[in-house]
Amino acid sequence: QVQLQESGPGLVKASQTLSLTCSVSGGSVSSGDYYWSWVRQRPGKGLEWIGYIYNSGSTYYNPSLKSRPTISGDTSKNQFSLRLSSVTAADTAVYYCARGARDRSGYTWYFDLWGRGTLVTVSS
Amino acid sequence: DIQMTQSPSSVSAAVGDRVTITCRASQDISSWLAWYQQKPGKAPKLLIYDASSLESGVPSRFSGSGSETDFTLTISSLQPEDFATYYCQQAHSFPWTFGQGTKVDIK
Repeated sequence: QVQLQESGPGLVKASQTLSLTCSVSGGSVSSGDYYWSWVRQRPGKGLEWIGYIYNSGSTYYNPSLKSRPTISGDTSKNQFSLRLSSVTAADTAVYYCARGARDRSGYTWYFDLWGRGTLVTVSS
Repeated sequence: DIQMTQSPSSVSAAVGDRVTITCRASQDISSWLAWYQQKPGKAPKLLIYDASSLESGVPSRFSGSGSETDFTLTISSLQPEDFATYYCQQAHSFPWTFGQGTKVDIK
């Protein structure tokens, strides 16, 4: 059974870079079948998709984050990571890693598996 | 970006009630829509994808319908474990976007 687990500092200073890692167990992050993603949820707010890494190299980022995120993969450790630069208080959120799996048509994909999430607070 | 608007923002219901949540997309997204359930302090859980396909292991009291811009999630007979917040999400155009959520609480 595939499981995802986020890890990283729970406190980051404003203007610095947030770094989180998602460890994948029971499956392979190098599988070309999945879109390994990061999603965040600000306190009391809805969900915001940050981006994905696919097939160990192809990436996409939500334009709303203005070139600040970087998602990378480490196949040797079966992990993928998020770096978010120049953070502000607005980046305080629970960060989830999630797996995107294609639907039966193969046209699109959805988040079918999630980690438990990790709270990151940006301090001034 | 495609904007997803859910209604109502919250609904109070009793065990056994039929509950319907609506999601409207700002443009045609065909049937590329998912519904997620989130309980406090927990990660979202995929319930429905492609507007009406039930994810494996999800109880059959959950159903989804709709296409183009208007979609519905229905819980046919609300159970105690169904009190949660529900989100829709479009998977038609990048970036994927979510609705603001609908909280289902106990009447």
